[in-house]
Amino acid sequence: GENVEQHPSTLSVQEGDSAVIKCTYSDSASNYFPWYKQELGKRPQLIIDIRSNVGEKKDQRIAVTLNKTAKHFSLHITETQPEDSAVYFCAARGVDSSYKLIFGSGTRLLVRP
Amino acid sequence: ETGVTQTPRHLVMGMTNKKSLKCEQHLGHNAMYWYKQSAKKPLELMFVYNFKEQTENNSVPSRFSPECPNSSHLFLHLHTLQPEDSALYLCASSPGQANTEAFFGQGTRLTVV
Repeated sequence: GENVEQHPSTLSVQEGDSAVIKCTYSDSASNYFPWYKQELGKRPQLIIDIRSNVGEKKDQRIAVTLNKTAKHFSLHITETQPEDSAVYFCAARGVDSSYKLIFGSGTRLLVRP
Repeated sequence: ETGVTQTPRHLVMGMTNKKSLKCEQHLGHNAMYWYKQSAKKPLELMFVYNFKEQTENNSVPSRFSPECPNSSHLFLHLHTLQPEDSALYLCASSPGQANTEAFFGQGTRLTVV
C-alpha cells in the first residue's frame, strides 16, 4: 500500500524567512496530494492541494510542487509569520475505490518573531 | 466549522468499559474515515467507509469496531481498550471522489485508565 515519508520532523525559522517541507510517496498511482495545517488543539485543515496533472500550484505565500517521476512533493511557505507556527501534514491518495488518504508523520514548524 | 461533528470531545474510560464515539456529517459526502492521532503515529488511518461499505481496515485490533449505519453517521465502538489506545480519534469525510479534500472533525480525546 501507499507509504508517505515527510521531512523534517521539526523546522524553526526566523519570521520573514522561507520554510520548505518535503514528502515522498511510494505508490506511483497516487494522484492527489493535499497539505493540512493543524494548530495546537485544533483539527487538521486543508491549506493547499495539488493533482497529478499539475507540477506546481501557488496560493499567496504558499506553494506546492510535485515531481511525479521522483514521487516527491514539497510545501513552500514564503515570508513566514508567527501564525504559520503549527504542525503540517502532507498526504497522498490513490485511485482505488477505498479513497483512503495516507498521511506523512508531520512537521512541526516554529516561526520565531 | 467544517461540517463534521464528533462527540464526545473528551472521554475517560476504564479498560473494562464499553463506549462509543460518534461522527456526523451533513455535507452530502459518501466517504468517511477514522484516524488515530498519537505522538508515535500522527494521523494513522484506521477505517474507511465508502457509500456505507467498509473499504479499508488498516489492521486495527478487534477491540475497535466501526459502524456506518448511513452515509451521514459513523461510529467507533470501543471495548476492553488498553492504556496505549489513549489518543485523539479524528473522523473525516470526503465526497468520495479521488481528487477531493477530506474534512476533519474536532476529534475525541480518549484516555484509557
